[in-house]
Amino acid sequence: SQTIHQWPATLVQPVGSPLSLECTVEGTSNPNLYWYRQAAGRGLQLLFYSVGIGQISSEVPQNLSASRPQDRQFILSSKKLLLSDSGFYLCAWDGTGGYEQYFGPGTRLTVT
Amino acid sequence: DQQVKQNSPSLSVQEGRISILNCDYTNSMFDYFLWYKKYPAEGPTFLISISSIKDKNEDGRFTVFLNKSAKHLSLHIVPSQPGDSAVYFCAASASGAGSYQLTFGKGTKLSVIP
Repeated sequence: SQTIHQWPATLVQPVGSPLSLECTVEGTSNPNLYWYRQAAGRGLQLLFYSVGIGQISSEVPQNLSASRPQDRQFILSSKKLLLSDSGFYLCAWDGTGGYEQYFGPGTRLTVT
Repeated sequence: DQQVKQNSPSLSVQEGRISILNCDYTNSMFDYFLWYKKYPAEGPTFLISISSIKDKNEDGRFTVFLNKSAKHLSLHIVPSQPGDSAVYFCAASASGAGSYQLTFGKGTKLSVIP
């Protein structure tokens, strides 16, 4: 069966510090991968998606970036965090041809 | 511009009664709709979906209805149980080459009262 991991689970970072969140998927090959953010009181906002290694599409221009160095690994990064980057970050995957996306447990990021 | 709208931020229902969660959309290109359930500090879990070629899909206590002419869908939970208390997100997809991006509503918090 497929599983998706995210770490860390929680993170408190000062403004201006760098960020690296990691997501890995097990039990599937060549998944589509997604990064979402849920800010307080808001829905899920798609940040990035990837259909293959090295292929990244950005939905929202901001100071975040994403990379996919391996088939089942997706990384969300920032060089300098802003207060507005606080939120709950979710990684998700789906199989090619399927509509349902499956989410990881999420990372709660607080920028202070 | 919010393409998927869940106009009720919260809903309270007595245990054993029916819960009805509503969702409206504006993009005519959406052809697949999903409901997710989310507990605090956890990722959303997929609940049920419906294709635009259908008007109803049922899975146990959960039924989703789609009214394409009104661009409206609803999730019915019968009977409601305390464990159903969570935030429910409606999502929609317009299939495109290579990936199936989901557009989410802001969610409705369901509270089932014992």
